[in-house]
Amino acid sequence: DQQVKQNSPSLSVQEGRISILNCDYTNSMFDYFLWYKKYPAEGPTFLISISSIKDKNEDGRFTVFLNKSAKHLSLHIVPSQPGDSAVYFCAASEINNDMRFGAGTRLTVKP
Amino acid sequence: DAGITQSPRYKITETGRQVTLMCHQTWSHSYMFWYRQDLGHGLRLIYYSAAADITDKGEVPDGYVVSRSKTENFPLTLESATRSQTSVYFCASNDRGGNQPQHFGDGTRLSIL
Repeated sequence: DQQVKQNSPSLSVQEGRISILNCDYTNSMFDYFLWYKKYPAEGPTFLISISSIKDKNEDGRFTVFLNKSAKHLSLHIVPSQPGDSAVYFCAASEINNDMRFGAGTRLTVKP
Repeated sequence: DAGITQSPRYKITETGRQVTLMCHQTWSHSYMFWYRQDLGHGLRLIYYSAAADITDKGEVPDGYVVSRSKTENFPLTLESATRSQTSVYFCASNDRGGNQPQHFGDGTRLSIL
């Protein structure tokens, strides 16, 4: 029972354009959402998060949007750079509970 | 260097054998976690520990054993390995619990033949 779903296994964008990575969840009790970035042969690294009391959080080129009514969040990367090429995992959790991860989306940014 | 290290990075073993994956962190984080990453599933929590001598099951604990005698170490043991346990295993740590950002090691790729 996957409570967090990333339906696009891969995404390819041109350098300088916007990358939009999507994530859907089924558990309405989730109140904290995170994005991790993973390079090959390395562990995931935390990128950005958002709590359910907000609908947007920005950190430099990265913005996460949360639509609670649709149980959907997205990560926008603007402008995309070749170094952003990685696998991105969406994760969600309830208070005092474990984190659930999506299956990941592989982003390729072409020069 | 401060950080979280996993060993070995790669391991091949046979079904039925016992294998232990090691995880060591130098931050003195109270929480440590073990995940497995499989294609199509993302990361799934196996076990976690809130402090030395305190461990608890995650989403997929069957076939695994953990211990935490020291804060900095959190070994994961497969007592009798099965092919379904072929996976990439990640250890992580933080000071705030399972629903907060975690620092991950670089993983152990385990193949069971």
